[in-house]
Amino acid sequence: ETGVTQSPTHLIKTRGQQVTLRCSSQSGHNTVSWYQQALGQGPQFIFQYYREEENGRGNFPPRFSGLQFPNYSSELNVNALELDDSALYLCASSLKTIAGGDRKETQFFGPGTRLTVL
Amino acid sequence: GEDVEQSLFLSVREGDSSVINCTYTDSSSTYLYWYKQEPGAGLQLLTYIFSNMDMKQDQRLTVLLNKKDKHLSLRIADTQTGDSAIYFCAEKGSQGNLIFGKGTKLSVKP
Repeated sequence: ETGVTQSPTHLIKTRGQQVTLRCSSQSGHNTVSWYQQALGQGPQFIFQYYREEENGRGNFPPRFSGLQFPNYSSELNVNALELDDSALYLCASSLKTIAGGDRKETQFFGPGTRLTVL
Repeated sequence: GEDVEQSLFLSVREGDSSVINCTYTDSSSTYLYWYKQEPGAGLQLLTYIFSNMDMKQDQRLTVLLNKKDKHLSLRIADTQTGDSAIYFCAEKGSQGNLIFGKGTKLSVKP
């Protein structure tokens, strides 16, 4: 158990709809990263939030957006869903520190949300 | 560019050692990770290694790093059926993200 939770577990939507996925980070962590894992592939980085600001973004279109709240939990929003958005969405929490340039920042993953777009 | 490559499948007999290999491209990566994913589940961190090390051992797991060749391996001693899963190698990207390979599916036969 990593202490990272995600909701819902499964979700079915139709093309063109919008979806919101939620993630609660591990206690003491201040950073949340979101990944998309298509079937048979490794996770692909969507974006990262640190102290409520987007702190990095992968190669995903603007219809993928996010939020981070003061308690460091996070949401991933996807608008205008496409069939190819069907995937497992993973969030990972970590503790980012400024001092010392420490890049260890180990990421701990939640169980994921399985999104199916019909 | 940043990229991670792994072989896709590995099959071993219970009790044997498993060796999963990975190559990465970013020579500035400071940390490299191994994650395990069981069917329908999220990713479980197994171990990591800092780039100034060439080996790390943690119980049945041994990580070897050849920084010159950008090659990372994970050895699982005395492999058990419960080790059957997909294993991902990951390097830390420039944005603080993880860059994953496609995963190696380990099958352990009794």
